[in-house]
Order: sequence, then C-alpha cells, then structure tokens
Amino acid sequence: QVQLVQSGAEVKKPGASVKVSCKASGYTFTGYYMHWVRQAPGQGLEWMGRINPNSGGTNYAQKFQGRVTMTRDTSISTAYMELSRLRSDDTAVYYCARGPYQPLGGWFDPWGQGTLVTVSS
Amino acid sequence: DIQMTQSPSSLSASVGDRVTITCQASQDISNYLNWYQQKPGKAPKLLIYDASNLETGVPSRFSGSGSGTDFTFTISSLQPEDIATYYCQQYDNLPTFGGGTKVEIK
Repeated sequence: QVQLVQSGAEVKKPGASVKVSCKASGYTFTGYYMHWVRQAPGQGLEWMGRINPNSGGTNYAQKFQGRVTMTRDTSISTAYMELSRLRSDDTAVYYCARGPYQPLGGWFDPWGQGTLVTVSS
Repeated sequence: DIQMTQSPSSLSASVGDRVTITCQASQDISNYLNWYQQKPGKAPKLLIYDASNLETGVPSRFSGSGSGTDFTFTISSLQPEDIATYYCQQYDNLPTFGGGTKVEIK
C-alpha cells in the first residue's frame, strides 16, 4: 500500500537547522509531487512547499523562501525538508504529503505520520 | 496568496444532525478545492477532491459542492466517529488552507 514514513521527533536550539525525511513506498516515487505542510500546536495547517521528485524542481511558500530547502534522493525514494535559522515559532508537527503530478498543487493523499520539531533554548 | 475563509470555526451538533461547513475563496478558484478530516494526534485525511468528488472508501454521508468562490461541505447525518477538525484547501494557485472547523457532539 502507498505509505509515507517520516523521521523521528527533533529538539533544536534557536538558530539551528533541522532536516526531516519522508520515505515513500508502494508507488513510483518520481510519478508524484511531494508537499510539506506544518501545524503549530493547536493551530491550523500551513503549506510550506513542494518538490518534483523527477526533476528536483521546487516551489516554496513566500513565508519560507530563503529558509527552507526541499530535496530528494530517488535511489531510496526519500524526500527531505530542511528548515534553517529556527525560531521558537517554528515549533510544529511537519508533514509530508503526496500530490498529483500536475502544475497546480492538487490534493494531498496520503500524508506521513508527522514529525514533531521543538525549538527551545 | 489566495485566502480561504472557513466558517464556522467550531460547531456542536447532535448525532444524526446535518452539519454544514462553508469555505470562501478570496478569488475565483474554479473547482480546485479539497476537504480534509483531521482527528486529534493524527495526520489529515483526504475526504473530498475537486469540490465534489468523494475519495474512495469515504462514507457517502460526506459530500461537497460549489465552484468559483463559495464552497460547502456537508455531513448528512453526524456520527460519533466524525468528531474531528475539517479543513478546506485550494490549489488554483500555490496551495492554501482554510482555518479549520472543529466539530463536536452536543
């Protein structure tokens, strides 16, 4: 079955970087976009960006431009999201989610289980 | 960015009630609108895509409608397992989500 499995929880200090992984299985990794969405405690969903695993091309939300980098390793069907210059308000659960291979974002299905990133001094 | 205004932010209804949630886009998004269900501590789950298409395996009591700027999500008969937060999401431009609607049992 189609599955996205993310790396484990992280605790980081302000100013540091975090890199979250998302391993895909059950489908052709390069045939779908991979999106990243975050959710701060008690808050709603916030789209961060997406990567085309085939070309490596990316689109980022304006809010995260300059701080986020999305990459992929097609040999192991894994996508990565790195967020730098962490602040306390980056504390959130970070999700990867598969999207259709089309210019517009489409819908997200399935989602990874989420990775809690805590930023604290 | 396209803003998505979802209402209400929370609601309380009885088992068997009809529940309606609305989502308004800040500009015309055609039918590029999806709905998700998120239960506490879990990842969101896709329910409806392209405004009115029911995802495979999702109960038929869930439905969606609308186009342009105004969209509606309906649970025809609320069940205890439907307690969750529901989100709309547009993809006419870079994706954005509505603020969510928390559904509780009265």
